[in-house]
Amino acid sequence: GAGVSQSPRYKVTKRGQDVTLRCDPISSHATLYWYQQALGQGPEFLTYFNYEAQPDKSGLPSDRFSAERPEGSISTLTIQRTEQRDSAMYRCASSLTFTSGDNEQFFGPGTRLTVL
Amino acid sequence: GQQVMQIPQYQHVQEGEDFTTYCNSSTTLSNIQWYKQRPGGHPVFLIQLVKSGEVKKQKRLTFQFGEAKKNSSLHITATQTTDVGTYFCAGFRGYAGGTSYGKLTFGQGTILTVHP
Repeated sequence: GAGVSQSPRYKVTKRGQDVTLRCDPISSHATLYWYQQALGQGPEFLTYFNYEAQPDKSGLPSDRFSAERPEGSISTLTIQRTEQRDSAMYRCASSLTFTSGDNEQFFGPGTRLTVL
Repeated sequence: GQQVMQIPQYQHVQEGEDFTTYCNSSTTLSNIQWYKQRPGGHPVFLIQLVKSGEVKKQKRLTFQFGEAKKNSSLHITATQTTDVGTYFCAGFRGYAGGTSYGKLTFGQGTILTVHP
């Protein structure tokens, strides 16, 4: 695609519900990142994928958070039993390759999650 | 863990004045990236610095990477209203001691407002 897309753009849910967020990266990009961005803060790393491999999920706040990229393209981020503190903008980014000299990241528009 | 700090948090300038934001990492970096996020938008890549002491220019923007590869700065000459937004630095540790540090660590950003 022309850019990184995310859906839904806005999600309002009740505490305790599960939510799944979707990211569709730029089609030629090998690497996909998930970030959580609180208002007035920089994006905070959650996890990343090289194709379908998930080398680092150290940023996931708890075991309620999980991510998948089963075919190395589209990815989903699932939050189980949502809590109010999960309310944030969730951003996806992709990059062409995973090398130190070639990892400009292209961000999607984000999903604004509100947990009531 | 790695921390990236940015100062100032806010900067208000009159159009035509210069602006500088500073970025400091708690660890030595493989490279550093700068992103701009317009109000209501998503982070957009500006530049990547890789070499110790590197200086790069993009029109009115000048980026520097410190000799120790732990700090960086962005300077804008003669600001314009189109420069409004939040400027983030993001540090990449790369590989150290056989361990891959695949993530970018973002600073909290500097919010620039420009009064016409």
